[in-house]
Amino acid sequence: DQQVKQNSPSLSVQEGRISILNCDYTNSMFDYFLWYKKYPAEGPTFLISISSIKDKNEDGRFTVFLNKSAKHLSLHIVPSQPGDSAVYFCAASKTAGGTSYGKLTFGQGTILTVHP
Amino acid sequence: DTAVSQTPKYLVTQMGNDKSIKCEQNLGHDTMYWYKQDSKKFLKIMFSYNNKELIINETVPNRFSPKSPDKAHLNLHINSLELGDSAVYFCASSQTPGLRGLYTQYFGPGTRLTVL
Repeated sequence: DQQVKQNSPSLSVQEGRISILNCDYTNSMFDYFLWYKKYPAEGPTFLISISSIKDKNEDGRFTVFLNKSAKHLSLHIVPSQPGDSAVYFCAASKTAGGTSYGKLTFGQGTILTVHP
Repeated sequence: DTAVSQTPKYLVTQMGNDKSIKCEQNLGHDTMYWYKQDSKKFLKIMFSYNNKELIINETVPNRFSPKSPDKAHLNLHINSLELGDSAVYFCASSQTPGLRGLYTQYFGPGTRLTVL
């Protein structure tokens, strides 16, 4: 029972264009969402996060949007650069009450390729 | 300066053997985690330790035993290895998750375990 899903295994975009990566979740108790980026032979690195009290969070070229009613979040990268080519993982956590102890539930990742 | 390191990077072994993976972090974090990335690419949490105390123990076979000699180290010992244990294992660390949220988890580069 996968509670976090990334239904697009891969995405290919042209340099300078927008990349939109999508993520759906089923557990309504999740209240904190994160995106991690992973290069081959390396561990995931934190990119950006959003709390369920917000619907948007922006950090430079990266913006995460959260639609709680649809249980959907997306990561926008504008403009996309070849160095953004990596696997992007969506993750979710239940933080209310502090009982999650930092447990993250990950999606299966989307491979982003940005062509020069 | 490597923040979270794992050894070995690759591990190839026969079914039935016992093996260990070591993890060390130099970030001064109190909490460490083990994740497994299976063949379907999902990253799933296995264990979490806070100040050497086990706080997350997902449904993992008893053959897997984490050991935390101190806050900077979390090792994973696997007994009687099976074919299905083949995966990439990631160690991570963070500050202690709190009531109001969680802190960024920093991941190691992963250990690719292949059981023949």
